[in-house]
Amino acid sequence: AQSVTQPDIHITVSEGASLELRCNYSYGATPYLFWYVQSPGQGLQLLLKYFSGDTLVQGIKGFEAEFKRSQSSFNLRKPSVHWSDAAEYFCAVGAEGAQKLVFGQGTRLTINP
Amino acid sequence: NAGVTQTPKFQVLKTGQSMTLQCAQDMNHNSMYWYRQDPGMGLRLIYYSASEGTTDKGEVPNGYNVSRLNKREFSLRLESAAPSQTSVYFCATHWTGANNSPLHFGNGTRLTVT
Repeated sequence: AQSVTQPDIHITVSEGASLELRCNYSYGATPYLFWYVQSPGQGLQLLLKYFSGDTLVQGIKGFEAEFKRSQSSFNLRKPSVHWSDAAEYFCAVGAEGAQKLVFGQGTRLTINP
Repeated sequence: NAGVTQTPKFQVLKTGQSMTLQCAQDMNHNSMYWYRQDPGMGLRLIYYSASEGTTDKGEVPNGYNVSRLNKREFSLRLESAAPSQTSVYFCATHWTGANNSPLHFGNGTRLTVT
C-alpha cells in the first residue's frame, strides 16, 4: 500500500528566504504525486502535480517540485517566500490518479517578517 | 461559481446524537470523497463514490455511512456521534476522465462531539 511521510511537522522561515518542504513516498509502481496547500479555515488547493515526463514540475504561486525516483522523494521548493505563503502543505500520492489519494501528515509553514 | 459546497460549516453534537453532513458539487465530476482531517494525521479517506450509485469504504469508515444521492450530492452520516469523531470533514470531487486530474475540495465542516 502506498504511504507518504512529511518529516517536518513545522517549519519557520524568514520572508524572502528560500524554502524546501520534504516529502517521501512509498509506492510500488509509478506514482502520481501532488502538493496541496491549505490556508486557515479553507479547503485544500492544488499547487502542482507529477504523473510522468519532466521530473521538475512548476506549480502556482511560484512553487516547484522535483520527483526523484531513486530517493522516493517529491520535495517542494520556492526561491523566495512571501508572508502569504504561511499555510499548511500536504504531499499526496495516488495510484492511477487522484482516486484514493494518500496524504502525508502535513507541514505547517510559518513566515517571520 | 463552480465548486464543492459543504454544509454546515460548524456543528456541535452531544455523544449519541446523529447528523448528516452534506456535500454538493456543480463540476460534473464522477467521483466524490469524504476525508477527515486530524492534527498530525493528515487527511484520511472515510468513504468514496466512484460514480453515481456506488460507494466504497476508505481507510477509516467505522461509525459512518454515506449516500450518493445523485451525481451532484454525496452525504456523510454519523448515526451515533462519539468524541473520537471530533474532526474537520472535507468533501472532494474528482474528474475521472484523466488519470492525473486533481481532487477539488470543499471548505470543510468542523465537527465537535462533546
